[in-house]
Amino acid sequence: QVQLQESGPGLVKPSETLSLTCTVSGGSMTSYYWSWIRQPPGKGLEWIGYIFFSGSTNYNPSLESRVTISVDTSKNQFSLTMTSVTAADTAVFYCARMHTNGWFDHWGQGSLITVSS
Amino acid sequence: SSELTQDPAVSVALGQTVRITCQGDSLGRFPATWYQQKPGQAPVLVIYGKNNRPSGIPDRFSGSSSGNTASLTITGTQAEDEADYYCNSRDTTAHYVFGTGTKVTVL
Repeated sequence: QVQLQESGPGLVKPSETLSLTCTVSGGSMTSYYWSWIRQPPGKGLEWIGYIFFSGSTNYNPSLESRVTISVDTSKNQFSLTMTSVTAADTAVFYCARMHTNGWFDHWGQGSLITVSS
Repeated sequence: SSELTQDPAVSVALGQTVRITCQGDSLGRFPATWYQQKPGQAPVLVIYGKNNRPSGIPDRFSGSSSGNTASLTITGTQAEDEADYYCNSRDTTAHYVFGTGTKVTVL
């Protein structure tokens, strides 16, 4: 059974860069898309972007200027970098496996990132 | 990217049927998928494709669509179905968007 686990700093200062890593276990990263999704406290889900195992990416236009997703299949990991964070970026960040037909079938438990000085 | 609109909240009596709708221009071309999220937990896929359920999802969950509206129906709603439900779809540039979410309360 595929499992995903996010790891991150928990707290990031305003204007700094947020970095999160998702470790995939129980399966190969090949032939799937790997995605990041976030959820501000008490609010809905927002798709951030995805990366194919080969490295091609696609991002939410509203975040594209600040976001980079990368993959390291040798470590079974993919990562999210978000620059110039503000309090509005405070959220639970989920990593998820996305089937080639576009559904998110496996999710991590989520990692709360708080942006505060 | 496209927007997907859902009713903020619906309530249903135990054992009855509830339908949750999702409206958006992209749904006329791309199917919706549906996710259930309980408090403090990650979302769980409940319906994908036209009307498919992942292993472990009860058959009381079903999906349908007509034009620009997708629906998730829970037939014989159980207390454990009380949760937030989100639809999701894509646009022509493969950007994905989630619906605004519907809170289902079981009375």
